[in-house]
Amino acid sequence: GAGVSQSPSNKVTEKGKDVELRCDPISGHTALYWYRQSLGQGLEFLIYFQGNSAPDKSGLPSDRFSAERTGGSVSTLTIQRTQQEDSAVYLCASSFSKGSEQYFGPGTRLTVT
Amino acid sequence: AQSVTQLGSHVSVSEGALVLLRCNYSSSVPPYLFWYVQYPNQGLQLLLKYTSAATLVKGINGFEAEFKKSETSFHLTKPSAHMSDAAEYFCAVSDLTGANSKLTFGKGITLSVRP
Repeated sequence: GAGVSQSPSNKVTEKGKDVELRCDPISGHTALYWYRQSLGQGLEFLIYFQGNSAPDKSGLPSDRFSAERTGGSVSTLTIQRTQQEDSAVYLCASSFSKGSEQYFGPGTRLTVT
Repeated sequence: AQSVTQLGSHVSVSEGALVLLRCNYSSSVPPYLFWYVQYPNQGLQLLLKYTSAATLVKGINGFEAEFKKSETSFHLTKPSAHMSDAAEYFCAVSDLTGANSKLTFGKGITLSVRP
């Protein structure tokens, strides 16, 4: 079956602009995670969605970052007023339930110029 | 809080040689431990996981890892390296007793395989 997909694969934006990154999880997976991979910080957890529960936003680095998950499926990560330090690869993962194996998408490479 | 330490950033081995990638963890609760591999411009692929069953875990592509509680280690090994094993490897820990089961990753190790 289809894996986790993310779009766009690459995004170049100017400092100060807003960006939206999309994640399509594996069908039937109730848990969805966003991670960020950058040279300086490695792989960091950003946010976690589980079913219809309120998301765990404890990893979001600032209030410029937000995410939503519509209908328990597709998720969008939004970064407002992008800064150069936001340049990174943003990875989405989904799992059948909390604690089960996480399947990762290919990531979106964000470059802020 | 949980953490993972992967010593060194780069390991180079000859094709056919033993691969040993080290991982030490810190966790206040019994951990779930994972090794992921990342090929260039791709996402993460699970190699193997430890979830409190057998301490010696076998994964894909001939990799295995042994959980040693006394040493707080979960080192990854493969008896004979293949050119196709060249990639970046991440060790990760998860706490299923917490509010979520997010993965906390080590810094990663780049494995090079010489012909």
